[in-house]
Amino acid sequence: KAGVTQTPRYLIKTRGQQVTLSCSPISGHRSVSWYQQTPGQGLQFLFEYFSETQRNKGNFPGRFSGRQFSNSRSEMNVSTLELGDSALYLCASSLALGNTIYFGEGSWLTVV
Amino acid sequence: GIQVEQSPPDLILQEGANSTLRCNFSDSVNNLQWFHQNPWGQLINLFYIPSGTKQNGRLSATTVATERYSLLYISSSQTTDSGVYFCAVGPTGANSKLTFGKGITLSVRP
Repeated sequence: KAGVTQTPRYLIKTRGQQVTLSCSPISGHRSVSWYQQTPGQGLQFLFEYFSETQRNKGNFPGRFSGRQFSNSRSEMNVSTLELGDSALYLCASSLALGNTIYFGEGSWLTVV
Repeated sequence: GIQVEQSPPDLILQEGANSTLRCNFSDSVNNLQWFHQNPWGQLINLFYIPSGTKQNGRLSATTVATERYSLLYISSSQTTDSGVYFCAVGPTGANSKLTFGKGITLSVRP
């Protein structure tokens, strides 16, 4: 069974631009969550979706947004990029809320 | 919010040695998971263990929910065990958000 797939794997953006990251969960998984990992702040929860609805949200500014589609695939968007948004963005999927989560390989975002 | 502390922050072992990694948390949880992040950034789920004991090969984990801690045991360590080990917890109730500890960096030397 295929794992969690994230695209793109690596990208470089300029300050002020926006970026969209994509996540395809494990087949049959309906919950998708997103995390940001930086050397300074560690792993921080961004948001979680289940059945196309955002169920939980972390303490990030409104520039960070996401959505989930009817096939459970998810996207996250960061607008007006700042240098501090440079990070590894990780998507995880699970069968349902509160279950074991499985991470994708992540998207490495560099903002210059 | 809930606080998660992992110890020790760094650990260096000789191949074949055993180790114990600790995770303390500040509030009741109904979700606790251990992960291993390899040098390429991939996070692998090791255990889902909100309470009790589980074993998977050379790894085992125990969570004592009433005392708010969890332990991850690695026996007969191998160089491939190197990486960062994270504990993540989720509070009781409808909020399933996971809070991660800062991680324990393990280096296993041949």
